[in-house]
Amino acid sequence: ETGVTQTPRHLVMGMTNKKSLKCEQHLGHNAMYWYKQSAKKPLELMFVYSLEERVENNSVPSRFSPECPNSSHLFLHLHTLQPEDSALYLCASSPQGPGGQTYGYTFGSGTRLTVV
Amino acid sequence: GQNIDQPTEMTATEGAIVQINCTYQTSGFNGLFWYQQHAGEAPTFLSYNVLDGLEEKGRFSSFLSRSKGYSYLLLKELQMKDSASYLCAVRDSNYQLIWGAGTKLIIKP
Repeated sequence: ETGVTQTPRHLVMGMTNKKSLKCEQHLGHNAMYWYKQSAKKPLELMFVYSLEERVENNSVPSRFSPECPNSSHLFLHLHTLQPEDSALYLCASSPQGPGGQTYGYTFGSGTRLTVV
Repeated sequence: GQNIDQPTEMTATEGAIVQINCTYQTSGFNGLFWYQQHAGEAPTFLSYNVLDGLEEKGRFSSFLSRSKGYSYLLLKELQMKDSASYLCAVRDSNYQLIWGAGTKLIIKP
């Protein structure tokens, strides 16, 4: 248990389905992140939230929609995904300094997503 | 562009020493991280270097040379549980983390 909890651990969905991934942290961190991890590729940053406001969206397709209702919870809503979206989706949190400096990340165990 | 290079896979023997290298080209530098990730689990923090030199933490050490854009993670007295992927990440001038693809370390008895 790292302090960041992700559910579900595994998800299989069809291309026409709608599903949501959930991330929860009670570490008092004020920044949360969604990453995509594909085999043999670097972690791809998808979304960043700082103090519940989205501060970065790295050209992610609109079929991925994040939501951060409070500083402890982060969601990733999925709809009409493609098979190439199959990957491990990692949530992370970190404290941030007054200048926006990012300190060490704490990761969740991820959701293994398979799109069929 | 920004780039982090590390070997894709390495094999070592239980009880031995292994060095995992990481070279980087980034827009600015504000620290380098090493993370360990066991299959199906969360990446976990191992070390952080911001100044040149060696940081030692038990069986694990991490080295940084900013002038060479180079770091390594040294694992001593290898144990079977050290079989994992090791991720190198550099924090750039915007304090964003740039990640390498990870090195899968296989430990053999």
